[in-house]
Amino acid sequence: DTEVTQTPKHLVMGMTNKKSLKCEQHMGHRAMYWYKQKAKKPPELMFVYSYEKLSINESVPSRFSPECPNSSLLNLNLHALQPEDSALYLCASSQDSVGSYEQYFGPGTRLTVT
Amino acid sequence: TQLLEQSPQFLSIQEGENLTVYCNSSSVFSSLQWYRQEPGEGPVLLVTVVTGGEVKKLKRLTFQFGDARKDSSLHITAAQTGDTGLYLCAGGYFGNEKLTFGTGTRLTIIP
Repeated sequence: DTEVTQTPKHLVMGMTNKKSLKCEQHMGHRAMYWYKQKAKKPPELMFVYSYEKLSINESVPSRFSPECPNSSLLNLNLHALQPEDSALYLCASSQDSVGSYEQYFGPGTRLTVT
Repeated sequence: TQLLEQSPQFLSIQEGENLTVYCNSSSVFSSLQWYRQEPGEGPVLLVTVVTGGEVKKLKRLTFQFGDARKDSSLHITAAQTGDTGLYLCAGGYFGNEKLTFGTGTRLTIIP
């Protein structure tokens, strides 16, 4: 099973709201990723968690706050977002962050900030 | 900055035709992956190639990794409407946590 699940599928939020995106995998993978994808562009890496610790933050604004409650779960907390943050947010996982390069993606959360 | 350039950027062909998509870089990669993404969905991994010159087949899709591990190609034989989507190549390096994504090829198969 190579499934990564993400909830919700769609999210509309105002600029003053606080919301969370959730990601789950049960493949025993030890690396998990958040990507942002704008229309007609490739995914852009935001964060990497390796063995439940944040290992990469690609200079993402603090209004995006990731957390990794356990090895299967990854959340992205959202607060005071801007309309330009509207995008498809993708979660991915891989067996390891440095030894294996096959990343498996979830279906994404389509976020609209109004 | 490592860049992966894909060509063509857009491709629209009739069902039943053959096509090739290219993924080129000036950098050497440890491995290269191909993904297909449909609108509003996440990328789906198609294949990973790791050895220079390696050829892998997935039904009507043939993937090749260049001898120098700087480039790759995806060839589709007898394209079907289900092949429509955004094709992304992505390169990885040993010891590096990041994938470098290509610029993408948007393929449309016309019935």
